[in-house]
Amino acid sequence: AQTVTQSQPEMSVQEAETVTLSCTYDTSENNYYLFWYKQPPSRQMILVIRQEAYKQQNATENRFSVNFQKAAKSFSLKISDSQLGDTAMYFCAFLSDNTDKLIFGTGTRLQV
Amino acid sequence: DGGITQSPKYLFRKEGQNVTLSCEQNLNHDAMYWYRQDPGQGLRLIYYSQIVNDFQKGDIAEGYSVSREKKESFPLTVTSAQKNPTAFYLCASSIRQSFLLHFGNGTRLTVT
Repeated sequence: AQTVTQSQPEMSVQEAETVTLSCTYDTSENNYYLFWYKQPPSRQMILVIRQEAYKQQNATENRFSVNFQKAAKSFSLKISDSQLGDTAMYFCAFLSDNTDKLIFGTGTRLQV
Repeated sequence: DGGITQSPKYLFRKEGQNVTLSCEQNLNHDAMYWYRQDPGQGLRLIYYSQIVNDFQKGDIAEGYSVSREKKESFPLTVTSAQKNPTAFYLCASSIRQSFLLHFGNGTRLTVT
């Protein structure tokens, strides 16, 4: 069974600084997708960024980028130039190419 | 505007009563999902449906039931058999194999 682990329950960062959120996963699959979702106090789930496992290039979306290390099964999220609006819970998620089941980590609460 | 509507936002019930949470989408998505969110545990999959009149159990289906009679609707019933029903419930939908979930705003259920 696949698992997703986020080892940082809480983190804080100053405005304009950079922060990295960690995520590791366990799978025997070769084809899969990884996601970072943001959940602000409104509790709406917002997709931040996604990565296809077959792509070696790290995904980027404006101030958000990932460091995808397939061999190490690591998928960290870097937020540059942090803004107050980045304050939220951040969830790492995994989806196998064989199923439609999105598996979430336990989340990291980020305070800017 | 297309989207997913969950209603109501807050729901209160007495212990021993069944309660049904509504989820409607007008995105023409084939797949729909129900997740439960508890503090410190991330999102856990309850049930999911990939097509009308078909659905599968997720990781924590015990004490819950669903139906998928229409493409647009995927109601979740929390039965009296669910030991700890108080939680935040999120509904999501996606185009099959698109691997991009769209989430509703959630329903906070409190059972006393």
